Amino acid sequence: QQQVKQSPQSLIVQKGGISIINCAYENTAFDYFPWYQQFPGKGPALLIAIRPDVSEKKEGRFTISFNKSAKQFSLHIMDSQPGDSATYFCAASGGSARQLTFGSGTQLTVLP
Amino acid sequence: DAGITQSPRHKVTETGTPVTLRCHQTENHRYMYWYRQDPGHGLRLIHYSYGVKDTDKGEVSDGYSVSRSKTEDFLLTLESATSSQTSVYFCAITRSSLTRNTEAFFGQGTRLTVV
Repeated sequence: QQQVKQSPQSLIVQKGGISIINCAYENTAFDYFPWYQQFPGKGPALLIAIRPDVSEKKEGRFTISFNKSAKQFSLHIMDSQPGDSATYFCAASGGSARQLTFGSGTQLTVLP
Repeated sequence: DAGITQSPRHKVTETGTPVTLRCHQTENHRYMYWYRQDPGHGLRLIHYSYGVKDTDKGEVSDGYSVSRSKTEDFLLTLESATSSQTSVYFCAITRSSLTRNTEAFFGQGTRLTVV
């Protein structure tokens, strides 16, 4: 049972374009929603995160949009660059142990 | 990298043999986690620890055991490795940020192949 569903599985964008990755969750106890970026051979690295009390968070070219009523959140990468080519994971956590439940990942390719 | 070191980084083992993966941290974090990463599944929690000798199961704990005898070390053991346990294993810690969020940081991973 996948508690966090992520789409699309893969995404190809031209340099300068906007990349959009979507996630939906089921567990209303989740209270923290991070996005991770992973390059080949490396561990996931925290990119940006949001709590459900805000609808949007922006850090540089990266923006999270959050819709609590729909239980959905998305990552927008503005002005996508070839260096952004990586696998992106959405995640959610809640509870005292703060363990993460991950989406299945999106492989982003930004063409030069 | 939050001071996380995983060892070994790569291992090939035969079906039925025991395997132990080690996660070492240098920053005295209370919580430590083991995840496995498989194509199409993202990362899934195997076990986690909330202190010395305090551990609990995650989503995919069958076939795995863990131990934490010291704050800095969290061991993952496959008692009898199977081909379905071929995966990349990540250790993680959590720490609180300045914004009061609890952020997770991951090690570099261990690629385990069971033949």
